[in-house]
Amino acid sequence: QKEVEQNSGPLSVPEGAIASLNCTYSDRGSQSFFWYRQYSGKSPELIMFIYSNGDKEDGRFTAQLNKASQYVSLLIRDSQPSDSATYLCAVRENTGFQKLVFGTGTRLLVSP
Amino acid sequence: DAGVTQSPTHLIKTRGQQVTLRCSPKSGHDTVSWYQQALGQGPQFIFQYYEEEERQRGNFPDRFSGHQFPNYSSELNVNALLLGDSALYLCASSSLGGGGVGDTQYFGPGTRLTVL
Repeated sequence: QKEVEQNSGPLSVPEGAIASLNCTYSDRGSQSFFWYRQYSGKSPELIMFIYSNGDKEDGRFTAQLNKASQYVSLLIRDSQPSDSATYLCAVRENTGFQKLVFGTGTRLLVSP
Repeated sequence: DAGVTQSPTHLIKTRGQQVTLRCSPKSGHDTVSWYQQALGQGPQFIFQYYEEEERQRGNFPDRFSGHQFPNYSSELNVNALLLGDSALYLCASSSLGGGGVGDTQYFGPGTRLTVL
């Protein structure tokens, strides 16, 4: 059973702090890794993806991938109350198709 | 540039009924995937359509079926509804022809199905 694990939270951080969200996956053959943000009652919105070991930065967001440890993380710098949402980690299998396997998400709360 | 659209937004059905949900992919995309998201859970893959064929299927019973039309839009049909089918149904579009590891799925707004 291929799994993606996330701490459900909530993760509480003060405004302006760095939020660190973590995700582990079981399928060592996984190729691509995605972070989605989901506000309550809304659909997932893509934040960024990563497929090479190391860091990838996009504005206030940094995704980190360590394939040897089967670990993906998302850092949010200068956290804002508007970042309060559930963050979903998704992994794409090492197949010719595009099925995504999602974790249950981490709820982030940023307090003013 | 139109994004992914889904209809209806909300739907209330009773047990045993049948439902059809609709999705139009983002402009330029040819692949539609359907996901079910129960409350407090991550989306679960139902199936994916490309070139009007089901290319991959998740662990869902045959009560769940789908279709893709020549214009790439898609329908999800659920027969003999159960209380446990109550969920947010998400459509995601992508470009299978892109083929790159970074090719991404973009979600529509979803259809909230409630089964009473």
